[in-house]
This record gives sequence, structure tokens and C-alpha cells, in this order.
Amino acid sequence: EDKVVQSPLSLVVHEGDTVTLNCSYEVTNFRSLLWYKQEKKAPTFLFMLTSSGIEKKSGRLSSILDKKELFSILNITATQTGDSAVYLCAAALQGAQKLVFGQGTRLTINP
Amino acid sequence: NAGVTQTPKFQVLKTGQSMTLQCAQDMNHEYMSWYRQDPGMGLRLIHYSVGAGITDQGEVPNGYNVSRSTTEDFPLRLLSAAPSQTSVYFCASTPTSSYNEQFFGPGTRLTVL
Repeated sequence: EDKVVQSPLSLVVHEGDTVTLNCSYEVTNFRSLLWYKQEKKAPTFLFMLTSSGIEKKSGRLSSILDKKELFSILNITATQTGDSAVYLCAAALQGAQKLVFGQGTRLTINP
Repeated sequence: NAGVTQTPKFQVLKTGQSMTLQCAQDMNHEYMSWYRQDPGMGLRLIHYSVGAGITDQGEVPNGYNVSRSTTEDFPLRLLSAAPSQTSVYFCASTPTSSYNEQFFGPGTRLTVL
């Protein structure tokens, strides 16, 4: 059974802290790993990772994939209250255009 | 472009009632899908379609039907609503040129009493 597991499920930090969110996957025919940010409504796309070891970066957010150990991390530096959200990772499968989502990590940034 | 639109935003049903959740996209995306999101469980795929006239089941298809008569529309039908179908439903679409990057609609919050 295809499975994606995120940790921690919930995280509370102070503004300015750096956080690392984890995502491990166990799926057949893996193609890519995606990260989404979900505030009050629909998830919005952050990153898509297909190659091991190549960091993707967007402002204070960065992410990397390890295809040997089957995990990805999402780093957020100098956190702000606007970073408070649920962060979802999903594994995309070859040939099926299907995403398998993890449970999400609820991140709360306190001022 | 309006992107992915969903109607209604909120709906309350009684057990046994039927209804259709509407989803439309104006980006000419071939691939569309329906997910449900329950607390602590992330998003789970209900049904998906790789093009007009082609649909397939996802992880949790029971109790739901879909059809895809046009590229733009992908309605989700609940034939006989059950309390276990209380959830937030998201429709998503993907361009074949950006494989697997899905664009989500705003969601429909459904409560079945």
C-alpha cells in the first residue's frame, strides 16, 4: 500500500525560529515529491522535487529530496506569523498522475 | 482565468439525500481529480479523470460517482449521503505539461446529518 508519513503532526514555535518538517514515503513507481501550504482554504503549491540532493529554494523556504532514504524535508528560516499553516507533502506516482498525501504538519508561529 | 471553481461552498444534507458537487476549470487541463480532507488524514483521492470520457477510482471511491463529458467539468455525485461523508471536498486539475502539479479549487464543506 502506498504511504506517505509526515512528522511532526503539529509544531509550535516563536517568530524568528527555524523549522524543519519531515516527509517520508513508501510508494510504488515514485515520480516526484510535492509540498503544499494550506491556510484556511485550498492547498497552494510550493515545490516539486524529482532529483535527489538538489535543493529547491523560494525565499525563506527550501526543500530537498533523498530518493535513497525515501524522504524529503522542508525548511523554513526566520519564521513569520504568516507561515502558520498546514504543510502537506505528496508523492506523485509514475504513469498514474495520482498523488498520495501525508497527514500534514500543522505549524503555528507565535509572535 | 478563473482557475478551478467549485460550487457550492457549503452544503448540509440529511442522510439518504443525493447531491452533486460541481467542479469546473478554464485552463484546458486534461487531468482532474476529487479529494476529500478529514481532520488528521490529509487529502485522500476519491476519483480522477485523465481526459473527457475517461474516469477511474482513487483510494476512497465508495459512495461517489463521477463523469467527465467535457474537458472543463468534473462533477462528483453522492447518491445516498451518509454521515461518514461529512468532509471538505477539493477538486483539482493538472496540466499535462506540469506533470503532477495540481491546482486546487476552494473546496466544498459538506455536512451530512
